[in-house]
Amino acid sequence: EAGVAQSPRYKIIEKRQSVAFWCNPISGHATLYWYQQILGQGPKLLIQFQNNGVVDDSQLPKDRFSAERLKGVDSTLKIQPAKLEDSAVYLCASSFPGTLSTDTQYFGPGTRLTVL
Amino acid sequence: DQQVKQNSPSLSVQEGRISILNCDYTNSMFDYFLWYKKYPAEGPTFLISISSIKDKNEDGRFTVFLNKSAKHLSLHIVPSQPGDSAVYFCAAVETSYDKVIFGPGTSLSVIP
Repeated sequence: EAGVAQSPRYKIIEKRQSVAFWCNPISGHATLYWYQQILGQGPKLLIQFQNNGVVDDSQLPKDRFSAERLKGVDSTLKIQPAKLEDSAVYLCASSFPGTLSTDTQYFGPGTRLTVL
Repeated sequence: DQQVKQNSPSLSVQEGRISILNCDYTNSMFDYFLWYKKYPAEGPTFLISISSIKDKNEDGRFTVFLNKSAKHLSLHIVPSQPGDSAVYFCAAVETSYDKVIFGPGTSLSVIP
């Protein structure tokens, strides 16, 4: 079984630029999560999708961050414009079969973003 | 306001000995707890979980203990192996809200 795929693995941009991250979850996983992990902290949920609908985006900074999940499969997370404090690892995770976070979440390798 | 705390940023243990990783939480509504393990340049992987109706769950070398009155849980690894060297995240869930809150992690080094 293929795991959660993310790209790119690393990205360096200057502040005020835009960046996009891509995630392909495990086949059949209905729930998809985007997390932000700042160095020295645990992952923080940004947005949770159930199929292509948003379940929770309460911690997503909507003035600069956006996310979509096309056809309930792949997802993209965008930051526009980026700030220095956005430097972090962005983790995508998926779970099956339901919506409960207690279902085991499978994480991708993450995208390490550095904003200069 | 950290709802899930792991007060030891790092821990070193000799191979073969017991590793004890601690986690404290503040929200008494949390009713499910998980431990994740993370190697460098990889995403976290699920290790073990425990429901609040239990006080212990065991899986091979890994045991999680939950003390609800103290709002404390711990992960025991016996015996510790060099391959256990990783960052361990404690996570808590209030299942009615279905949101996982992660602690900051503890970096475990098992010395051969």
